Amino acid sequence: GENVEQHPSTLSVQEGDSAVIKCTYSDSASNYFPWYKQELGKRPQLIIDIRSNVGEKKDQRIAVTLNKTAKHFSLHITETQPEDSAVYFCAASWAYKYIFGTGTRLKVLA
Amino acid sequence: DVKVTQSSRYLVKRTGEKVFLECVQDMDHENMFWYRQDPGLGLRLIYFSYDVKMKEKGDIPEGYSVSREKKERFSLILESASTNQTSMYLCASSLGGRMNTEAFFGQGTRLTVV
Repeated sequence: GENVEQHPSTLSVQEGDSAVIKCTYSDSASNYFPWYKQELGKRPQLIIDIRSNVGEKKDQRIAVTLNKTAKHFSLHITETQPEDSAVYFCAASWAYKYIFGTGTRLKVLA
Repeated sequence: DVKVTQSSRYLVKRTGEKVFLECVQDMDHENMFWYRQDPGLGLRLIYFSYDVKMKEKGDIPEGYSVSREKKERFSLILESASTNQTSMYLCASSLGGRMNTEAFFGQGTRLTVV
């Protein structure tokens, strides 16, 4: 069936460094790619999203890139801060479905 | 403010019991989803609904059923709870239509089956 692979499962970076999380999706019908952040004990919340007709999108320290040919999309966080520590989920969506990756636990070390 | 509310934050049920998890959204969203969240497995789709009385199986529907009698309410039913259904359950909703949009999540229900 359809799936989304996400790597790495855990990521530790020093404060101020950049973090990159990568996802690969299987269904070429996917046309919407959101990223969610889940802090401990809280619900996932959208931090950035991109549609299939766009290759890159940026919002302050966060950017997402999409390569439709390779079915890859990535989350880039620059100048990481301790409050960026959380679990991040990518998702690929089409029609009425949302398929999520397995999550990346990001730790920003002060 | 967008609101998705799940009826319980924590539940403890016995093996074999019939369990109802309720989810209500106040945004007039067409789509509603039920996921379970387990460490290392991410968010796995159990069932979704894109309209009242419409439902579709997700990736792991076995042992579950759903009901959507009203647009704002989507219920997940565990017909006969088993210990392997101990998990965090998350409800979500999105606007709907073929161009998908942000999914808003409830606060989650942590279910323990003993």
